[in-house]
Order: sequence, then C-alpha cells, then structure tokens
Amino acid sequence: GAGVSQTPSNKVTEKGKYVELRCDPISGHTALYWYRQSLGQGPEFLIYFQGTGAADDSGLPNDRFFAVRPEGSVSTLKIQRTERGDSAVYLCASSFNSRQGGTQYFGPGTRLLVL
Amino acid sequence: AQSVTQLDSQVPVFEEAPVELRCNYSSSVSVYLFWYVQYPNQGLQLLLKYLSGSTLVKGINGFEAEFNKSQTSFHLRKPSVHISDTAEYFCAVSYTGTASKLTFGTGTRLQVTL
Repeated sequence: GAGVSQTPSNKVTEKGKYVELRCDPISGHTALYWYRQSLGQGPEFLIYFQGTGAADDSGLPNDRFFAVRPEGSVSTLKIQRTERGDSAVYLCASSFNSRQGGTQYFGPGTRLLVL
Repeated sequence: AQSVTQLDSQVPVFEEAPVELRCNYSSSVSVYLFWYVQYPNQGLQLLLKYLSGSTLVKGINGFEAEFNKSQTSFHLRKPSVHISDTAEYFCAVSYTGTASKLTFGTGTRLQVTL
C-alpha cells in the first residue's frame, strides 16, 4: 500500500519568506509526527498529533513554527519568517496509534534550503 | 536530558565480514529501542525494535540487536554484510512518559566495499 508522502520534495526559499510543508500519512494511521534532520545529525522531534490535536509540541524551536492537522489526516508544517538556520530535511512519520513502542513509518522528507 | 550516543560516525567494512554498530542511551526509566536504516534518497526504514522480553531481537535483512540494560546499550550486528547494506543507520529510543516520540542518535554510516 501507499506509504507516507511528503510534498514538496525540495523547497528553496529566501530568508524571511513563509513556507508550508505537507505530509500525507498512511491511511488509517491516527498518530503523525514531524522531525527535523540537519546535516550530519539524527532526526530531532518537533511535534506529534493524535487525531486532530497536537499532543506534544515540545520540540518546536520557536513560535515561527506551527503545524496543523485539521481533519486528522493530512498535516501541514508552517514556518514563518524563515531563517538560514531552518535549512534541513523535514521528516514526517505516521503510526497506527500513539501507543508507546509502535512503529513509526517515515516519509522521504522535504529538503528545505533557506538562502 | 535524555540522549542516544552512536560512538562511530563511520564504519568501513569489507563485504561478507561481520559488523557491529554501537548504540548507548541515557536512561533512568524504562525504554523502547529501535534501529532504523536510511538508504540514499529514501526515508527511514525500521530494521528492528525492542519492547520487552528476549534481549536478542532479530530484524530484517539479517540484522539483530541485543538489549543490555546494565550497560544501557543496544548494539546492532550482522554476521556477514553485503554491498547493499551500505547506508546510514540510526539508533532511537522512546522513553516511558514521553509518549511515543523518538530520540535519535547522530547516525553511523556503514560503508561496505569489495
């Protein structure tokens, strides 16, 4: 079946601009996660949703970052006033539920470059 | 703070040789442990995970890992590697009380050559 998809695969923007990154999880998965992977680093947790609500947003670096999942399926990560330090690969993952130990299935990521 | 340490950033190995990728985690609570593999231009794929029970866990592609609570380690092993195992390998931990979010190590690049 279809895996987690993310669009766009690559995004180049200028410093100060607004960007939206989209994640389409595996059908039926209620939990959705966003991670950020900087060059040479492992993925870092940003936020996760159980259904429509953000259950844990402790990893969002500042208030320029915001994510929504209005219908409990597709999620959008929004970054305002982008900075060069936001350049990274943004990964989305989904799991059947948020039960601890459940397998998270990752998408291919969106590579964001802020010039 | 909770953390995961992958001691080797790169591991070069010849084809058909055994390999061990090391992972240590900081913990004072129960954990769930994972190994993910990332092939070039692909998403992370789960190799194996430890939730409870037997400390030796077998995964896909002939990989296995052993949970050692006293040493807070979860090292990944394969008795004979193949060229196609060349990839980045990430150890990850989910800590009790933090829901299911994962804390990742910095990764180990496994380079298999002839």
